[in-house]
Amino acid sequence: DTGVSQNPRHKITKRGQNVTFRCDPISEHNRLYWYRQTLGQGPEFLTYFQNEAQLEKSRLLSDRFSAERPKGSFSTLEIQRTEQGDSAMYLCASSFGQGPGYTFGSGTRLTVV
Amino acid sequence: DAKTTQPPSMDCAEGRAANLPCNHSTISGNEYVYWYRQIHSQGPQYIIHGLKNNETNEMASLIITEDRKSSTLILPHATLRDTAVYYCIANTGNQFYFGTGTSLTVIP
Repeated sequence: DTGVSQNPRHKITKRGQNVTFRCDPISEHNRLYWYRQTLGQGPEFLTYFQNEAQLEKSRLLSDRFSAERPKGSFSTLEIQRTEQGDSAMYLCASSFGQGPGYTFGSGTRLTVV
Repeated sequence: DAKTTQPPSMDCAEGRAANLPCNHSTISGNEYVYWYRQIHSQGPQYIIHGLKNNETNEMASLIITEDRKSSTLILPHATLRDTAVYYCIANTGNQFYFGTGTSLTVIP
């Protein structure tokens, strides 16, 4: 069990560029979650998958954001036409069923300049 | 999900018990109370959860009042490594609302 792995750890991009983050969950976990965290705030839910199906999306997930989990293994989160307001830590977590609890990765810190 | 209220910050002396309160007065009957913590620059870490009964594991104890309107997370012997933001969450399990948590500082 190597935990939840997120890549890259840091990403700096220019406004208007597209970025993609990857999350590798714990292998036996069937649920995968994406959260976003801005400075001084707690993580905010974005979306979750059960196997390859995306079952829930927050209203925070605008049409510039898309998440996939092909084959129910790793997941990618893409942000198109990045804006400065997208600067945040993007956290991935996984669980088997509802838990108990999730295991979080260390996150990808995005800075949009 | 029920809204939770936590003090923004607390201090605790190293080696003493840290008692972190949480108010969840609007919790519904099927909502669990979860506690996570987040050490700077890391993802949140699951600590413990419960529904009605008090719970204990190797990390902490969770005391839930009989009316379930509040709970307390107890770290029995706080160490410097317990310095973190602690989040109390009341929900039914699919997604968590973290709020801003309690920033616990363990003082040597």
